Amino acid sequence: GIQVEQSPPDLILQEGANSTLRCNFSDSVNNLQWFHQNPWGQLINLFYIPSGTKQNGRLSATTVATERYSLLYISSSQTTDSGVYFCAAILETSGSRLTFGEGTQLTVNP
Amino acid sequence: DGGITQSPKYLFRKEGQNVTLSCEQNLNHDAMYWYRQDPGQGLRLIYYSQIVNDFQKGDIAEGYSVSREKKESFPLTVTSAQKNPTAFYLCASRQPGTGPTFAFFGQGTRLTVV
Repeated sequence: GIQVEQSPPDLILQEGANSTLRCNFSDSVNNLQWFHQNPWGQLINLFYIPSGTKQNGRLSATTVATERYSLLYISSSQTTDSGVYFCAAILETSGSRLTFGEGTQLTVNP
Repeated sequence: DGGITQSPKYLFRKEGQNVTLSCEQNLNHDAMYWYRQDPGQGLRLIYYSQIVNDFQKGDIAEGYSVSREKKESFPLTVTSAQKNPTAFYLCASRQPGTGPTFAFFGQGTRLTVV
């Protein structure tokens, strides 16, 4: 199945800083999503982005499918951005199996 | 409102007892998933189902069982054979296809075995 790797595993920022999180995947994918896990464990959808670039407020994401990676950008970070960021991928021909990376733990300090 | 509901939020069981975690969705999704998360770790796939009456093992299926008798329901049983069942369990659903198809997650069940 697909392998998904995220980096860095941990990231500590001061409020207002920008950051880039990376997700590498081992095969061509039909579906690539980014999630934010809040302190209560809830997984929040951020982006569905198998290719191209999307933006939502201070967050944006870019997936370069031909090179098998995706990037999540967080600008002007806030303390509420803290938590774990996951990417997850599916290759539909492999049976809808949704595979997660290990996540990036982001801590934004005031 | 459409969504995916897991219950209970917290569950305590004695060692050696089977326990069933509930997952219900009203999003009309065909695919449903169960994941396990240990503290500070990522999500590991236990079982998934692409359609009613069909399911596949994930990476850590040993000690777990599932059923998919109805489209909206995908219960997970943690059996006494699971050696370390204390964990956070997350259920998800999505509609398979190559178009924009978000996976949606429930709020999770924290299982503690004492």
